[in-house]
Amino acid sequence: AQSVTQPDIHITVSEGASLELRCNYSYGATPYLFWYVQSPGQGLQLLLKYFSGDTLVQGIKGFEAEFKRSQSSFNLRKPSVHWSDAAEYFCAVGANTGFQKLVFGTGTRLLVSP
Amino acid sequence: DAGITQSPRHKVTETGTPVTLRCHQTENHRYMYWYRQDPGHGLRLIHYSYGVKDTDKGEVSDGYSVSRSKTEDFLLTLESATSSQTSVYFCAISDPGTTGGYTFGSGTRLTVV
Repeated sequence: AQSVTQPDIHITVSEGASLELRCNYSYGATPYLFWYVQSPGQGLQLLLKYFSGDTLVQGIKGFEAEFKRSQSSFNLRKPSVHWSDAAEYFCAVGANTGFQKLVFGTGTRLLVSP
Repeated sequence: DAGITQSPRHKVTETGTPVTLRCHQTENHRYMYWYRQDPGHGLRLIHYSYGVKDTDKGEVSDGYSVSRSKTEDFLLTLESATSSQTSVYFCAISDPGTTGGYTFGSGTRLTVV
């Protein structure tokens, strides 16, 4: 069965510093991988996705993620964090078919200090 | 937004009462999903639909039922609400042949007292 682990429940980063959020997945075949962001009281917004090809994918708001098959990881990065990036971030994995029953990690809450 | 709305946005109900949450989409997407979000658990799949009148259970389906009588509407019913069903409920949609993942609604915050 597929699963996602986000080992960090909370992360605090200073504004302007770099960010890396960890995501490890378990899946028996080539996965589809996603990062979503949720601001307080809001729904989830897609940041970026990986399906195939280049293992470094670019997303919105200056985020990027790298798929590493050998490590079963899909870590999210941003070179310089802004205060508006404070939110909860979810990694998700799904099948590489048309029907995607996504499994989500438990989320990482990002706090940005001045 | 992508044309997916949930109603109501907030609801407080008493234990033992039936509750129905509605998800409405204008995207004509084939697949629809209901998730619940709880602290420490992330999002967990309750039920999903792969077409009109075609539904199936997710990992936390006990105490919930769903119906989909037309493409645009997916209803989630709590037959007899319990305090353990206090949660934020999200609807999502996706479509075969696309690689866009899900589009989410804004959520329904349900409190069972």
